[in-house]
Amino acid sequence: EVQLVESGGALVQPGGSLRLSCAASGFTFSNYEMNWVRQAPGKGLEWISYISGGGETIYSADSVKGRFTISRDNARNSLSLEMNSLRAEDTAVYYCARLQSGNFFTSWGQGTLVIVSS
Amino acid sequence: DIQMTQSPSTLSASVGDRVTITCRASQSISSWLAWYQQKPGKAPKLLIHKASSLESGVPSRFSGSGSGTEFTLTISSLQPDDFATYYCQQYSNFWTFGQGTKVEIK
Repeated sequence: EVQLVESGGALVQPGGSLRLSCAASGFTFSNYEMNWVRQAPGKGLEWISYISGGGETIYSADSVKGRFTISRDNARNSLSLEMNSLRAEDTAVYYCARLQSGNFFTSWGQGTLVIVSS
Repeated sequence: DIQMTQSPSTLSASVGDRVTITCRASQSISSWLAWYQQKPGKAPKLLIHKASSLESGVPSRFSGSGSGTEFTLTISSLQPDDFATYYCQQYSNFWTFGQGTKVEIK
């Protein structure tokens, strides 16, 4: 069974930093492109970052470009999101999501909540 | 960037009703469209991909249609478990979601 378990969400002050992690199991992690998708409270879904199976290709949404960095450790079946210069508008539940052949998201974690507030 | 617009934002319906949700893309995305269902406090669940391909395990009362810029998700006979928020998502050029359609009890 595919499992994605996020961790690392917390309350952080504006301008602060945070690192989210996603532990994957139940599939060959290195074979799959992975993403972070977020959802602000009461709002819709927003894709924010992509990484290819080997980690060579990375894309980020304009809203987080230059502030957030996605990475992966295939030996540890782990996905990460390094978040810097956090803003109030970054407050959201952050999901890691497995991509199917570059297309749609077939598996999601349960999400981890990040609150940016003073 | 490709923008996705869903309508309506909220839909009130009764068990047994036929329900249709529309999703429009700001430019042609061929059939590169997926639909998801999300319940409160839960992660989204994939229902349909490539506009009309039903994901394994999803009830056949769900169907999708469309191509180019206009797409629909239809629930043929609404069941109690179907009250949720539905999102479309394009994957023609990166990944963009619609703003969601909440299906609530009438």
